[in-house]
Amino acid sequence: NAGVTQTPKFQVLKTGQSMTLQCAQDMNHEYMSWYRQDPGMGLRLIHYSVGAGITDQGEVPNGYNVSRSTTEDFPLRLLSAAPSQTSVYFCASSYSQTRNQPQHFGDGTRLSIL
Amino acid sequence: AQSVAQPEDQVNVAEGNPLTVKCTYSVSGNPYLFWYVQYPNRGLQFLLKYITGDNLVKGSYGFEAEFNKSQTSFHLKKPSALVSDSALYFCAVRDDTGAGSYQLTFGKGTKLSVIP
Repeated sequence: NAGVTQTPKFQVLKTGQSMTLQCAQDMNHEYMSWYRQDPGMGLRLIHYSVGAGITDQGEVPNGYNVSRSTTEDFPLRLLSAAPSQTSVYFCASSYSQTRNQPQHFGDGTRLSIL
Repeated sequence: AQSVAQPEDQVNVAEGNPLTVKCTYSVSGNPYLFWYVQYPNRGLQFLLKYITGDNLVKGSYGFEAEFNKSQTSFHLKKPSALVSDSALYFCAVRDDTGAGSYQLTFGKGTKLSVIP
């Protein structure tokens, strides 16, 4: 199993550009989520999904869109990139939303917005 | 609302000495508590969890954590630190009432440096 795979690993964008961060998992996990990690702020939840076709907002959803057409994939779209979205983005998955299930994380996408 | 506090941004410990990384939490109901570790340029890795039962939880790589309900704490411990334990450690909590939609709330992280 590859686990959780994120692409690309690094990306530089100009303000106003759009892009999609890819996330795929091969563990048949129902639950998937996107976090952003900023220095001194820990991880903050952007969006999450409890299964194909179901998504919901997290703590910091503004400026981001998600969709979940398959169990395996959960892409994150930046609609119009802003410098405040410079961050490291992590995708995570777990078997279900059951409260005691640990999450599996990808290695992140490091995004810089100029 | 649920929250987690990691009061120390950085902890320095000599190799071979015991280490403690502190975590306190706040939830409406009963907590589900987790510790994760992050090595440079990698994602978070699960270390251990407390759901219910024994207050001392054992996890990966020789780590353990002690749940203290009266002090609302879940400190991470290891009897003898290794240089390879140097990393960023995150505490996280879920509320069992569903008040936070069962989402994890993470602390801001504690950087552990083990000095040879």
